[in-house]
Amino acid sequence: EVQLVESGGGLVQPGGSLRLSCEASGFTFSSYWMHWVRQAPGKGLVWVSRVTGDGSGTIYADSVKGRFTISRDNAKNTLYLQMESLRAEDTAVYYCVRDVSSRFDPWGQGTLVTVSS
Amino acid sequence: EIVMTQSPATLSVSPGERATLSCRASQSLTSNLAWYQQKPGQAPRLLIYGASTRATGIPARFSGSGSGTEFTLTISSLQSEDFAVYYCQQYSNWPLYTFGQGTKLEIK
Repeated sequence: EVQLVESGGGLVQPGGSLRLSCEASGFTFSSYWMHWVRQAPGKGLVWVSRVTGDGSGTIYADSVKGRFTISRDNAKNTLYLQMESLRAEDTAVYYCVRDVSSRFDPWGQGTLVTVSS
Repeated sequence: EIVMTQSPATLSVSPGERATLSCRASQSLTSNLAWYQQKPGQAPRLLIYGASTRATGIPARFSGSGSGTEFTLTISSLQSEDFAVYYCQQYSNWPLYTFGQGTKLEIK
């Protein structure tokens, strides 16, 4: 069974940092691009970032560019999102998602990041 | 950036009836559109891709249609488990993916 399990969310002060992890299982992790998508409380889905299968290619939404870094460790089947200079507007559930020919399937259960003093 | 607009924001339908949800793109997507279902407290789930292809395990009562800038998700006979929020997503302008704001399908 294909499974994605996020961890690392929590409460952080504005300006702080946090690293999210997503452990993948049930498929050949290195063969797939991976994404992070976030959802603020009561709001819609917003794409955040993508990394290619070998980790060499990354791209970010303008709202997080320069503050967030996506990476992966294919030996550990794990995707990461390093978040720096966090703002209140970064408060959201962050989902790890597999890219299957540009469609997002499946999604992890999400991890909540709350930025507040 | 391609802007995705869904309508209506909320749709009230009785169980057993048909629901029709719309999604409009600010520029042509050809058929590079997906639909997702999200139930309260759960992650989204892929329903439709390529505008009209059902994902694995998705019941036949879900169907997608359209191309270019106008798309529709139809649920032919609503079951209780279908009441949820539905999002469309374009992947024509990859890797800059955008979602619609969602349509909440509620019980009438």
